[in-house]
Amino acid sequence: RKEVEQDPGPFNVPEGATVAFNCTYSNSASQSFFWYRQDCRKEPKLLMSVYSSGNEDGRFTAQLNRASQYISLLIRDSKLSDSATYLCVVPNSGYSTLTFGKGTMLLVSP
Amino acid sequence: DTGVSQDPRHKITKRGQNVTFRCDPISEHNRLYWYRQTLGQGPEFLTYFQNEAQLEKSRLLSDRFSAERPKGSFSTLEIQRTEQGDSAMYLCASSLRSSSHTGELFFGEGSRLTVL
Repeated sequence: RKEVEQDPGPFNVPEGATVAFNCTYSNSASQSFFWYRQDCRKEPKLLMSVYSSGNEDGRFTAQLNRASQYISLLIRDSKLSDSATYLCVVPNSGYSTLTFGKGTMLLVSP
Repeated sequence: DTGVSQDPRHKITKRGQNVTFRCDPISEHNRLYWYRQTLGQGPEFLTYFQNEAQLEKSRLLSDRFSAERPKGSFSTLEIQRTEQGDSAMYLCASSLRSSSHTGELFFGEGSRLTVL
């Protein structure tokens, strides 16, 4: 299994929809997980951390399922401005840096 | 602007030429990272510095690649004898604390390399 795997999408949703992305990771010892957002032709930026108890920030909710080794990102009431690529991120096996997934592209249409 | 800056933003070169990219991290950040990103892929780790020490290099970093951070501030990434497969966006990032714990990497806008 790769360190981190994501469905590349694209996910095409209308404004106002709820959409969820999953990401699987291979290192069962990982303690920290993150979601980054990358707009087209821009640099990645940290969106939110994923805690064992889950994490909610406005319309965004991140969840962790340790038993199945996946994390999820839920976006409620999608906005046009949510259109971006969402990157699942976990520490590398040596905990020295971060390993990025390939990203899931989200396209929100009017 | 006190963010991470990279130069040049775009570089077109012929196969076999050498190229060098520069990264100026956020001033108080002691950790500096180089990643490479190609179309449809996430950023792939290349190498990492803590202050001036290069602590880790990826298997992706072939002998043609060399990175330095001589005074623990700016860094350079040099690619010798470029190949078409080197065409990518080269991203620099910096952090104050261990990114694996905080998740915080502050990326520059990248240097796009096109090898003809």
